[in-house]
Amino acid sequence: DSGVTQTPKHLITATGQRVTLRCSPRSGDLSVYWYQQSLDQGLQFLIQYYNGEERAKGNILERFSAQQFPDLHSELNLSSLELGDSALYFCASSVGTGEYEQYFGPGTRLTVT
Amino acid sequence: GESVGLHLPTLSVQEGDNSIINCAYSNSASDYFIWYKQESGKGPQFIIDIRSNMDKRQGQRVTVLLNKTVKHLSLQIAATQPGDSAVYFCAENRVMDSSYKLIFGSGTRLLVRP
Repeated sequence: DSGVTQTPKHLITATGQRVTLRCSPRSGDLSVYWYQQSLDQGLQFLIQYYNGEERAKGNILERFSAQQFPDLHSELNLSSLELGDSALYFCASSVGTGEYEQYFGPGTRLTVT
Repeated sequence: GESVGLHLPTLSVQEGDNSIINCAYSNSASDYFIWYKQESGKGPQFIIDIRSNMDKRQGQRVTVLLNKTVKHLSLQIAATQPGDSAVYFCAENRVMDSSYKLIFGSGTRLLVRP
């Protein structure tokens, strides 16, 4: 158990809808990272927050957004969903910023129908 | 359990044998190279890292080799066990747009035969 929690575990929704994925980092970790893992793209970095502020951005679509709250939990919002957004979404955390030793949660499986 | 079902190269080894998983990287500017292990239904888990100015680093039953000349990274697992069955990803810690990002390779699936 990495200490990172993600909810929900599974999510099934229709195209055009909006969903919110939630992540709680390990106790004491200030950074939260979001990744997308799909069949054809592997693990892709989306975005990082550090202590409430956006720190780094990867291949995140404009339809996607994230935030980190004062209690350090984070939410990833996915809107106008398309079939191609179906994937596993992982949250990871680390103590500082830019760290490569990251602790990953169990993921949220999103299925868009 | 959950599985990604990626179309990955697969390495099949006999339990007790040594495994070697290879990875090619593209960016010479990366300062660290890292190996992650992803078991079925779980998120990736950090295994070992190597700094770009080193060519070998050993951990518990694992060794990482870095050949900067040919931009090649390998993970050696000694006395492979059934619990080693997983997908293994190499990753680079790379500066992009003034911030560090973890860039993952495509992964190799390791199957351990009993």
